[in-house]
Amino acid sequence: QVTLRESGPALVNPTQTLTLTCSFSGFALSTYGMCVSWIRQPPGKALEWVALIDWEDDKYYNTSLKTRLTIFKDTSKNQVVLTMTNMDPVDTATYYCARGDSNYVFDSWGQGTLVTVSS
Amino acid sequence: SYELTQPLSMSVALGQTASITCGGDNIAGKNVHWYQQKPGQAPVLVIYRDNSRPSGIPERFSGSSSGNTATLSISRAQAGDEADYFCQVWDSITLSVIFGGGTKLTVL
Repeated sequence: QVTLRESGPALVNPTQTLTLTCSFSGFALSTYGMCVSWIRQPPGKALEWVALIDWEDDKYYNTSLKTRLTIFKDTSKNQVVLTMTNMDPVDTATYYCARGDSNYVFDSWGQGTLVTVSS
Repeated sequence: SYELTQPLSMSVALGQTASITCGGDNIAGKNVHWYQQKPGQAPVLVIYRDNSRPSGIPERFSGSSSGNTATLSISRAQAGDEADYFCQVWDSITLSVIFGGGTKLTVL
């Protein structure tokens, strides 16, 4: 059974750096074709892709956020970590991590974690 | 950059067929995936690679893609199908995951 769980702060001050951890089980990110992605959703709005890391450690970022993002994996811990610098109130959203395959289809999602950016 | 366009909302009568569209330049040349999201819940994959159903998704859900439009069809619509639906592709030019803006489906 595949499970993913996001963890991180619920509240972040503007200009601070956000660090989110996706802890997963039921699959190995070292498996050919596997990937893990971060996707966010501001309240009442659409899904927005943030970043993705794959089994070969290739990393892809949303072009509009790229300068603020870092994604990396700890295969031994079954974790994927996302950092986002210079947080702003517009970054307030539920952040999801999801498992994907070589077709970049996300078949398993975490429950999401709401991050509010406010002073 | 590649964009996907969905109607903001649509409604369908109970028991009828809902067809939710997703527009994009030559979308037929890409693999299109569809997600259902109910209030307060994470998205759930309902169709992948245009027309394949994950295990556990009812046969009432189907997909198609042609030209510049992909379509998610939900036959014999039920009250439990009320949700937001998002289409998604991988853009191999910009190396990005692209989501549509989502369609809110109401079952009357």
